[in-house]
Amino acid sequence: EAGVTQSPTHLIKTRGQQATLRCSPISGHTSVYWYQQALGLGLQFLLWYDEGEERNRGNFPPRFSGRQFPNYSSELNVNALELEDSALYLCASSLSRGTDTQYFGPGTRLTVL
Amino acid sequence: GDSVTQMEGPVTLSEEAFLTINCTYTATGYPSLFWYVQYPGEGLQLLLKATKADDKGSNKGFEATYRKETTSFHLEKGSVQVSDSAVYFCALKGVRANAGGTSYGKLTFGQGTILTVHP
Repeated sequence: EAGVTQSPTHLIKTRGQQATLRCSPISGHTSVYWYQQALGLGLQFLLWYDEGEERNRGNFPPRFSGRQFPNYSSELNVNALELEDSALYLCASSLSRGTDTQYFGPGTRLTVL
Repeated sequence: GDSVTQMEGPVTLSEEAFLTINCTYTATGYPSLFWYVQYPGEGLQLLLKATKADDKGSNKGFEATYRKETTSFHLEKGSVQVSDSAVYFCALKGVRANAGGTSYGKLTFGQGTILTVHP
């Protein structure tokens, strides 16, 4: 069974640009979660989508947004990039909103110059 | 709000040594508890989990017991290998009873503990 996949693996942008990160969940999973892993700041929850709806949001500014498509894949958009947005962005999926275990993808490394 | 505290790292051990990584948490109700491992350049892998008090999670020789009375979920392994070198994260998932609150659905992580095992 294929795991969570993310693309691209690496992304380099300049300050002020927009970045789009993509995630495909494990087949049969309907919930997708996004986390940011910035150097020295640990893992921070960004967004949770289930059945196409945003269910919860972490303490991040509105320029972090996303959506979930009918096939349950998801996209994270970061507008007006700032240097401190440089981080590893991890996507996770779970069977449904009531299921505990989240399975993670390999991440997208975003570098903002 | 929910929080997880892991022991300060990094931890350096010799092969076959005993490993303990301490983890304590603060949360309302009875959260689910997890240990994830991150190898260099990779994402997170679920190592083990426990969903209720006194449950013991185990996998690949690692164990952790959900202790409600001490709000702890310490990770242990009797004999570590070089291949266990990685970053270990303790995490909790908020309870369903708090649906609609800020804790719902998300994982709250500890700061991570870097483990290095030497031959």
